[in-house]
Amino acid sequence: KAGVTQTPRYLIKTRGQQVTLSCSPISGHRSVSWYQQTPGQGLQFLFEYFSETQRNKGNFPGRFSGRQFSNSRSEMNVSTLELGDSALYLCASSITTWDSVRGFYGYTFGSGTRLTVV
Amino acid sequence: AQSVTQLDSQVPVFEEAPVELRCNYSSSVSVYLFWYVQYPNQGLQLLLKYLSGSTLVKGINGFEAEFNKSQTSFHLRKPSVHISDTAEYFCAVSDLYEGAQKLVFGQGTRLTINP
Repeated sequence: KAGVTQTPRYLIKTRGQQVTLSCSPISGHRSVSWYQQTPGQGLQFLFEYFSETQRNKGNFPGRFSGRQFSNSRSEMNVSTLELGDSALYLCASSITTWDSVRGFYGYTFGSGTRLTVV
Repeated sequence: AQSVTQLDSQVPVFEEAPVELRCNYSSSVSVYLFWYVQYPNQGLQLLLKYLSGSTLVKGINGFEAEFNKSQTSFHLRKPSVHISDTAEYFCAVSDLYEGAQKLVFGQGTRLTINP
């Protein structure tokens, strides 16, 4: 079956612009999580969406936002880009992330979108 | 909140030698632990996970890890490495927040295999 698809793979933007990244999860997966990966800060959790609702949010400024559509596809948006937003943005999908019986389901990650802000 | 420490940022090893990548996590009542591998210009691929049960977990590509609750460790091992194992390896722990899970990652260990 198809994996997690992130588009575009590479993106170059100018400071002050905004950007939208897209993630299509594995068919049947309802949870989509986003992570930012940088050399300095490593992998950091941005937010998680489940059934179009944001369930969990990391410690990022309000310039970072996201949404999920009824088909589980998700987008994240970064407004007023800063040089420090240059990173690999990874999307991860899961059937759900947690239930009280099985615990944590785990993720399947996409290949990421590499954003460069100049 | 959970935290993860990967004790080595870089590990150089000769081909066919054994390797151990070390990971310690902050203690919690119950944890779920993961090792992921990242090849250049790619996303993260799950190597193995510990959810419950046997403390020795076997994963893909010949890797295994041992969950040690008393030492809060989850070290990754492979008895004989190959050039193709050159990659960055991330240890992660689940962190439950108001019923929703996220992963907290270590800083990564770059494994370099020399011929």
